[in-house]
Amino acid sequence: SQKIEQNSEALNIQEGKTATLTCNYTNYSPAYLQWYRQDPGRGPVFLLLIRENEKEKRKERLKVTFDTTLKQSLFHITASQPADSATYLCAPEDETSGTYKYIFGTGTRLKVLA
Amino acid sequence: NAGVMQNPRHLVRRRGQEARLRCSPMKGHSHVYWYRQLPEEGLKFMVYLQKENIIDESGMPKERFSAEFPKEGPSILRIQQVVRGDSAAYFCASSPTGDQPQHFGDGTRLSIL
Repeated sequence: SQKIEQNSEALNIQEGKTATLTCNYTNYSPAYLQWYRQDPGRGPVFLLLIRENEKEKRKERLKVTFDTTLKQSLFHITASQPADSATYLCAPEDETSGTYKYIFGTGTRLKVLA
Repeated sequence: NAGVMQNPRHLVRRRGQEARLRCSPMKGHSHVYWYRQLPEEGLKFMVYLQKENIIDESGMPKERFSAEFPKEGPSILRIQQVVRGDSAAYFCASSPTGDQPQHFGDGTRLSIL
């Protein structure tokens, strides 16, 4: 069955540094992959969507890569700020479903220290 | 532009009662998804609807759970005869088409006494 792995442990980094979060998936080949941010008690907020024919996508301080050979997506936040502290969710599309359905990882908790 | 609206934000029910969770998608969005989240766990897909049609309900328990998205009005997730194990946060998301990003509401936190 499909499996998604994100760093299960919290990631602590110093303000101003680049945070890199990893999402690995196995047993399927998504055509799209989404990244979300979730704060406690709130719904996930969409950040970026990357398609299989796009190696990299950027939005302001955010960058996502999508390596379909390694079955991995990396999510980078440059010049990180304390306000970036949140849980980040990876969601590759479940192409086996035949419908537009995504499978969400459990997320990586990022804490940016001032 | 109003985002995805879910209500109520918090719902308390006693075992055996019915729970109705509502979701109004963003304007122009005809695709609706329901997810369930337990503490420290990921979002689990339940059901995918597109105006008046259930596209994929593979993640929804066969018994006690149902979902609808009528031509007019919000999408409804209905849980009959609730049990303690139904306690969770239920999130709704919408998108304009299936291959576009999903936008989430802030969820309904269901507590079963």
